[in-house]
Amino acid sequence: GENVEQHPSTLSVQEGDSAVIKCTYSDSASNYFPWYKQELGKGPQLIIDIRSNVGEKKDQRIAVTLNKTAKHFSLHITETQPEDSAVYFCAASQETSGSRLTFGEGTQLTVNP
Amino acid sequence: KAGVTQTPRYLIKTRGQQVTLSCSPISGHRSVSWYQQTPGQGLQFLFEYFSETQRNKGNFPGRFSGRQFSNSRSEMNVSTLELGDSALYLCASSFATGGTEAFFGQGTRLTVV
Repeated sequence: GENVEQHPSTLSVQEGDSAVIKCTYSDSASNYFPWYKQELGKGPQLIIDIRSNVGEKKDQRIAVTLNKTAKHFSLHITETQPEDSAVYFCAASQETSGSRLTFGEGTQLTVNP
Repeated sequence: KAGVTQTPRYLIKTRGQQVTLSCSPISGHRSVSWYQQTPGQGLQFLFEYFSETQRNKGNFPGRFSGRQFSNSRSEMNVSTLELGDSALYLCASSFATGGTEAFFGQGTRLTVV
């Protein structure tokens, strides 16, 4: 089955700096890659996603890149703010597996004011 | 538009008991997936229901089961509870099955004592 690895497990940045979280996946059939943000006591919140026919997607301060050949994808957050502090999860899925998502282990992002 | 609603938010059960958790998806969504979240294992897929049929199943024992009703609401049941079943159980709602956005509820925190 699919395996997703996520790095780093913790990331601490100063407010205004950029943050990058990287994930690799094992199954070349995976074609949908969402990113979630989870704050304490809440469920994961979808923040951005990318499909295998696209190499990059951007939404304001957040961007995701996908390299299908290398089977890795990354989340980029620019101009970080204290409210960006949370746990971020990457995930992968393939259409033939329905809505099943395989998640990475998570990255605890701390933005210091 | 109301989000994904999970009830109850918190539960305390004794070993050997059984428990039923409920999930109401976003209106119009027909796919409901369930995940278990623990500090040690992360987010793990339990099963997905689409149009009242189990679409996919994760690697969990038969004590974990679920169902979906005609209004797309879903329940999951865990029988003969074990201490290791203590976790945050999350429900995700999608419009369709396979490579579509999944939106999570707040989760049900189950503690087995």
